[in-house]
Amino acid sequence: EPEVTQTPSHQVTQMGQEVILRCVPISNHLYFYWYRQILGQKVEFLVSFYNNEISEKSEIFDDQFSVERPDGSNFTLKIRSTKLEDSAMYFCASSEGRLNEQFFGPGTRLTVL
Amino acid sequence: ELKVEQNPLFLSMQEGKNYTIYCNYSTTSDRLYWYRQDPGKSLESLFVLLSNGAVKQEGRLMASLDTKARLSTLHITAAVHDLSATYFCAVLQGAQKLVFGQGTRLTINP
Repeated sequence: EPEVTQTPSHQVTQMGQEVILRCVPISNHLYFYWYRQILGQKVEFLVSFYNNEISEKSEIFDDQFSVERPDGSNFTLKIRSTKLEDSAMYFCASSEGRLNEQFFGPGTRLTVL
Repeated sequence: ELKVEQNPLFLSMQEGKNYTIYCNYSTTSDRLYWYRQDPGKSLESLFVLLSNGAVKQEGRLMASLDTKARLSTLHITAAVHDLSATYFCAVLQGAQKLVFGQGTRLTINP
């Protein structure tokens, strides 16, 4: 069964460093998303992406965040200068269509020291 | 702004008992989802509820939706230890953004 994959599973970085989290959405899906979950808290929407542009973003998704689909398969989230409060689990998701069910990847645990 | 609230947030129950988790949301939405999350793991989709009065069942779990009351319930029948997990409801805001509840951490004791 097709699934969303994410790499790495765990990333440790120093405050102020740039990180790139990678996702491979399900191959025939057209809509891509990033969510994050701070430990023990609820899942929060960051951004949605369609047709090579951001279609919606939350107030969490400020100028230090960016997303890109650099090729036909990968979808990346970049955090330019990480802060301690960026430590969280980051989930990528994809869906076939605008209102279709979103399928979640296994997550990348980001730890900022 | 859409708000989604679950209760209870923590639930400890005995095997064999029944219980219900509630999910209230503040504005109209096209659809509501229930997810299960095991510790350190991703979100596993359980149910998608699309219309008023929708009821779906899978094993010991049954979900329902009342769009007029803006309420969904997840009912657990004759709980077993394997159902221990955190359960989230999520409501679709607009066409793409899922707004999640706080989660209900369910512990089922033998």
